[in-house]
Amino acid sequence: SQTIHQWPATLVQPVGSPLSLECTVEGTSNPNLYWYRQAAGRGLQLLFYSVGIGQISSEVPQNLSASRPQDRQFILSSKKLLLSDSGFYLCAWSVRGYRSINTGELFFGEGSRLTVL
Amino acid sequence: KQEVTQIPAALSVPEGENLVLNCSFTDSAIYNLQWFRQDPGKGLTSLLLIQSSQREQTSGRLNASLDKSSGRSTLYIAASQPGDSATYLCAVRREGGSYIPTFGRGTSLIVHP
Repeated sequence: SQTIHQWPATLVQPVGSPLSLECTVEGTSNPNLYWYRQAAGRGLQLLFYSVGIGQISSEVPQNLSASRPQDRQFILSSKKLLLSDSGFYLCAWSVRGYRSINTGELFFGEGSRLTVL
Repeated sequence: KQEVTQIPAALSVPEGENLVLNCSFTDSAIYNLQWFRQDPGKGLTSLLLIQSSQREQTSGRLNASLDKSSGRSTLYIAASQPGDSATYLCAVRREGGSYIPTFGRGTSLIVHP
């Protein structure tokens, strides 16, 4: 069966410090990968998505970046955190492509809570 | 651009009631619609997925229906329990090659004993 792991689960960082959140998927290959942010009282905001190694699409301008060094690994980074980067970050995956057996179902990790002070 | 709206934003009911949560979308050219549950401080758990060719899906006390022509989906929860308390979100994925689902803001449900 497929599983998705995110870490760290909780992070408290000072303004201006770097960030690295990691997400890995097991039990599947060639997944679509996504990073979302959920700020307090707000909806889910798509930050990045990837359809393959080294292929990253950014949905919003910000001081965050994403990388996909391996097929099932997705990393969210920042060189200098801002207060506004605080939030709940969620990684997700889905089967790639529109084959008849692909339902397009989206699966989420447990999330990483980031507090920037 | 697809817009997804969930009504009501919040709901508080006594245990045992049957509930209907609503999700509406503006573009009927969808690939699928997915319902999620989110507990406080946790990730999203997939509840039900309805393909565009389907009318409904059922899992235990949950039943989700889809009416593409009217741009609506409903999540029916039978005999609600305090453990059903959570935020419920729907997400719509557009047909034609988009990998990006559009999420609603969710309905926050409290079921009190």
